[in-house]
Amino acid sequence: DGGITQSPKYLFRKEGQNVTLSCEQNLNHDAMYWYRQDPGQGLRLIYYSQIVNDFQKGDIAEGYSVSREKKESFPLTVTSAQKNPTAFYLCASSRTANTEAFFGQGTRLTVV
Amino acid sequence: ELKVEQNPLFLSMQEGKNYTIYCNYSTTSDRLYWYRQDPGKSLESLFVLLSNGAVKQEGRLMASLDTKARLSTLHITAAVHDLSATYFCAVESQGGSEKLVFGKGMKLTVNP
Repeated sequence: DGGITQSPKYLFRKEGQNVTLSCEQNLNHDAMYWYRQDPGQGLRLIYYSQIVNDFQKGDIAEGYSVSREKKESFPLTVTSAQKNPTAFYLCASSRTANTEAFFGQGTRLTVV
Repeated sequence: ELKVEQNPLFLSMQEGKNYTIYCNYSTTSDRLYWYRQDPGKSLESLFVLLSNGAVKQEGRLMASLDTKARLSTLHITAAVHDLSATYFCAVESQGGSEKLVFGKGMKLTVNP
């Protein structure tokens, strides 16, 4: 089955720790995205990548880092510099930068 | 900077009724997407509107796009309980950074 897989579904992190969220797609899409969702705020773009080995900051990149070493994979690291990391994180991909985006099932991160 | 506004943000309606919800955006774009999100779940693509005057229908939902007015509507016909969800519109920014900007979402509750 083609799709986007995010793991884990739930993640707990202690303050001061870095944590990495996984996103894998087997749709052969060039573009991949990370969004953060907080209640009542819609989705906000963290980082996006239009092609392998290249990525750009979105609107709220501070405290996050990404890599795009393979076309299929776009992991997101939430660093200790992110002051309020508790949120629902959604990964998406699209065939190219200007086409419809498809979303993974999301990772709910909670800082304890 | 592209801004996307949805109206209303919360809607409670009875089964069998009709209603229209609105999505306004602030800068030129001719690509708009509607998504549905169930509680705790990811986003499901509903409609892709790629030109002025585009109209798409799926079941009890019909979406349209007026790029001159920078407005999209999502019309609900004879609502049923299964339509209860949060609906997001997303507009593609143009002229530099191709990315989706999301509205805050409209939470729809359809009561029996």
